Amino acid sequence: DVKVTQSSRYLVKRTGEKVFLECVQDMDHENMFWYRQDPGLGLRLIYFSYDVKMKEKGDIPEGYSVSREKKERFSLILESASTNQTSMYLCASRGGTFQETQYFGPGTRLLVL
Amino acid sequence: RKEVEQDPGPFNVPEGATVAFNCTYSNSASQSFFWYRQDCRKEPKLLMSVYSSGNEDGRFTAQLNRASQYISLLIRDSKLSDSATYLCVVSRNTGGFKTIFGAGTRLFVKA
Repeated sequence: DVKVTQSSRYLVKRTGEKVFLECVQDMDHENMFWYRQDPGLGLRLIYFSYDVKMKEKGDIPEGYSVSREKKERFSLILESASTNQTSMYLCASRGGTFQETQYFGPGTRLLVL
Repeated sequence: RKEVEQDPGPFNVPEGATVAFNCTYSNSASQSFFWYRQDCRKEPKLLMSVYSSGNEDGRFTAQLNRASQYISLLIRDSKLSDSATYLCVVSRNTGGFKTIFGAGTRLFVKA
């Protein structure tokens, strides 16, 4: 079974803080994704990575950066957290082709005060 | 207009009912289609892929209509445990790979 883990289930941060969200997958998947999920808006792609050190912007990359130094690990960084980044953050991984399933981590609920 | 649109619901149905969800997509280059299920405060999980010929998995039937650009999910004999949000998901690989999630349809099955 694919396992995707995220570093925190719940996180509370203050405006302006730098926030690190980490995601680890154990299936040697090439592709990893970071989404945020907000009520009524569904999942929106922030960034994705198709290989180590490779990254592509998704639909809403502003205010975020990512890092993929190892194949199994994909980090999302909020450079200076703002209240409008309060959300559920979901990491996913996928095998080599786009027809394959995405497997999600349990999510991190981030509250920025 | 969103690229993938779903009726947000909620659908409130009694146990044993049959319920159908529709989803429309706007990009005709879309190539792969899925239904995911998301329980409250949990991550989305694949329910089933959707094939052109239609496919069935137990009480669940998924259909794809490429001409009209819509996907459907039919749940027969609803169970309390079917209560969840159902996400329609569409993927394409033209102009770069892209997977788009619908906002989801909420289902409540009541005893």
